[in-house]
Order: sequence, then structure tokens, then C-alpha cells
Amino acid sequence: EVQLVESGGGLVQPGGSLRLSCPASGFTFSTYSMNWVRQTPGKGLEWVSYISSSSSIIYYADSVKGRFTTSRDNAKNSLYLQMNSLRAEDTAVYYCARNFLGSGGMIDYWGQGTLVTVSS
Amino acid sequence: EIVLTQSPATLSLSPGERATLSCRASQSVSTYLVWYQQKPGQAPRLLIYDASNRATGIPARFIGSGSGTDFTLTISSLEPEDFAVYYCQQRSNWPPLTFGGGTKVEIK
Repeated sequence: EVQLVESGGGLVQPGGSLRLSCPASGFTFSTYSMNWVRQTPGKGLEWVSYISSSSSIIYYADSVKGRFTTSRDNAKNSLYLQMNSLRAEDTAVYYCARNFLGSGGMIDYWGQGTLVTVSS
Repeated sequence: EIVLTQSPATLSLSPGERATLSCRASQSVSTYLVWYQQKPGQAPRLLIYDASNRATGIPARFIGSGSGTDFTLTISSLEPEDFAVYYCQQRSNWPPLTFGGGTKVEIK
């Protein structure tokens, strides 16, 4: 069974930092590209970042470029999101999400999400 | 960036009725259009990929159609578990991946 379990969310002040982690199990993590997607409470979905299986390609949404860094450790079967210079508008549930094998941009599994709240 | 517009925002229907959800793209996405279902407190779930292909385990009552800029998700006969929010997403021209604003299917 595919499992993606996000952690690391919480309350942080504007300008602060957080690091999200997403250990994966139930599949060969090193062969799949991954995404971070966020959802503002009560609102819709926003793609945040993509990382290829080997980390050779990483993309970011313009709204987080220069502030967020996506990485992965295939030896530890884990995905990470380092979030710096956090703003109130970054408040959201952050999902770790797996791309369908060989298909960029089609998400076939999502974690349950971790809530990040940016507030003073 | 490709903008996806979903309509209606809310659809009020009874179990057994047909639901028709629309997703319109600001430019052609060919058939690279995905549909997800999200229930309260849960993560989204893949329903339809590449406009018309049902994901593994998705019942036949979920039917995706369309190409170019206009797409439709039809639920032929609503079951109680189908009341949820539905999102479309394009993977034709990215980054960024973009999602529609969602359609909530609620019980009338």
C-alpha cells in the first residue's frame, strides 16, 4: 500500500522557517517524481513544487520561488520542503504527492497533509 | 499560465440524479486534463486522467470527456459517497501545474 505521511507543520511567525518531511513507503520511491501541493483552508489547490526522481529537475511556483527548496533522499525514501521567509499567505495544508510513473503532472497518490500556519 | 475555470461552483442534486461538471481551459490542453475528488478532511483522490481514462478502482459511473479547452465530468447516477468537491487540473503546459477552483456537489 502506498503511504505518504507529511510532518513538520505547525505555527510559525512571519519571516520564520519550517521544514516539511514526507517519508514514503509501499513503492519504489527512487523511481517516482514527486510534488508538493498546498491548499488554503476552505479554498482550492495550488501546486508548489516538482522534483524528478533523481533530483535533476526541480520546479517551483512563482509564489514560492527563492523562498522554498524541495529536496529528496532516495536512500531514506523521503521528500522534503524547506520553507524560509514565510508569509501569511503561505498558510495552508501542504500535501506530498506522487506522480503517476512516467507521467509528469498527473498525481496518483496524495498524503494526508500537514497544516502550516503563519501568524504572529 | 493556463487558467482552469470550473462551473458551477456548487451543484445541488439528489442521489440517483446525473451530475454534469464543467472545466474550461484558457488555452488548449489537448487531452491532458485530470479530475480529482476530495471529501472533507481527506486528500484529493485521482478519478480521471487524460480527459477520459478512469483511474484504478474508479466506478464506471464517472465519465470524463472533452478535449482542447472544454471538458466535462459526468456522474451518471449519484451515490451517497459521491457528494464531494471535484477539481480539474491540467498537465499540458507546465510548470506550473494548475487546478480549477472546484465544484462542490452537495445533497439537495
